[in-house]
Amino acid sequence: QQQVKQSPQSLIVQKGGISIINCAYENTAFDYFPWYQQFPGKGPALLIAIRPDVSEKKEGRFTISFNKSAKQFSLHIMDSQPGDSATYFCAARTSGSRLTFGEGTQLTVNP
Amino acid sequence: EAQVTQNPRYLITVTGKKLTVTCSQNMNHEYMSWYRQDPGLGLRQIYYSMNVEVTDKGDVPEGYKVSRKEKRNFPLILESPSPNQTSLYFCASSPRPTGGKAQYFGPGTRLLVL
Repeated sequence: QQQVKQSPQSLIVQKGGISIINCAYENTAFDYFPWYQQFPGKGPALLIAIRPDVSEKKEGRFTISFNKSAKQFSLHIMDSQPGDSATYFCAARTSGSRLTFGEGTQLTVNP
Repeated sequence: EAQVTQNPRYLITVTGKKLTVTCSQNMNHEYMSWYRQDPGLGLRQIYYSMNVEVTDKGDVPEGYKVSRKEKRNFPLILESPSPNQTSLYFCASSPRPTGGKAQYFGPGTRLLVL
């Protein structure tokens, strides 16, 4: 049973648009929520992360929005570029360091 | 160059034949972990290690073993591989469990069990 649900499975955005990927979780013991970016043939790379005591975190064009009461968090990619085309995974960690990933979203940014 | 290496990168084997996938990091990281990646399921954590001789189960540990005798190495052992262990495997390391940007994944090992 997937403890972190991610949507959409795939996303197509035009260059310059906003990409939004959503995740929902059930386990209130999760205390750290990272997002990973994976290019074909490569391992995932940590992109940005947030803790539940913060509602938003921004790094460049990437923003995480976190809604603790709804148990949801999302990744926003502003001014999306073709180079952002990749698979994105949300994840959640318990204090015991077990990391649970979402199913992944394949993002395509058209030029 | 800071990196996580895995060997082999590709492996085809038969059911029941023991195999080991090696993982090594050159960054003196305490934390290492193994994941498997399957279409539609994302990455699932198999085992992790907080430091030498300290290991714990992730979400899908069945059929796998690990050891952490040295800080730099964290091999994944399949004692009796089965076809449902056909997958893409990643090793990762970081100085803290999930801290900062300093989390490195290896290039992956694609395993096919016939």
